[in-house]
Amino acid sequence: DTGVSQDPRHKITKRGQNVTFRCDPISEHNRLYWYRQTLGQGPEFLTYFQNEAQLEKSRLLSDRFSAERPKGSFSTLEIQRTEQGDSAMYLCASTPADRVDQETQYFGPGTRLLVL
Amino acid sequence: GNSVTQMEGPVTLSEEAFLTINCTYTATGYPSLFWYVQYPGEGLQLLLKATKADDKGSNKGFEATYRKETTSFHLEKGSVQVSDSAVYFCALRINNAGNMLTFGGGTRLMVKP
Repeated sequence: DTGVSQDPRHKITKRGQNVTFRCDPISEHNRLYWYRQTLGQGPEFLTYFQNEAQLEKSRLLSDRFSAERPKGSFSTLEIQRTEQGDSAMYLCASTPADRVDQETQYFGPGTRLLVL
Repeated sequence: GNSVTQMEGPVTLSEEAFLTINCTYTATGYPSLFWYVQYPGEGLQLLLKATKADDKGSNKGFEATYRKETTSFHLEKGSVQVSDSAVYFCALRINNAGNMLTFGGGTRLMVKP
């Protein structure tokens, strides 16, 4: 299976701890997106990359959130000093380089975070 | 700003019933419109899309028509199956604006045999 993968699938942490999630996009997809989905809601856009460049980060929820894509392949999303309100599903998506298919975002299974 | 409003669920239907899930949007530019589906325990999957007014997207018996005059993109299926039970999300994307999706809140569909 060559879809978008995310790791870990589940994470339980205590308030105040830092957490990092990883996303591996579909091979050769040059755009990578992060979304957050809280229970009963639709996904909410956080940030995105084109190759290694982070082109939009104003929607990151606070300065505790940061993302990287150092080599233009996998990406990491870090949350520092977690709060209970950070509990959510964190989704990653990617789109291919082919302009015709640029509209379709392929989503990973998500990382479910629970902050105690 | 951009926003998507969907009818609240859950929607409960019997097998072979007709399905409509309403979706309306507001957008600052000219959007492309999408329906995504999330089956239990799985990730979001694109169901169908439409990129300009009056386009009809279709897939797996589902259809939705891009109505610019009513800013709507309602999802329909003539005969639902138990396997269609899932959460459905309407979404928009503003062309030439980063490609990020704006989602509605989702509508849970439950189909009973």
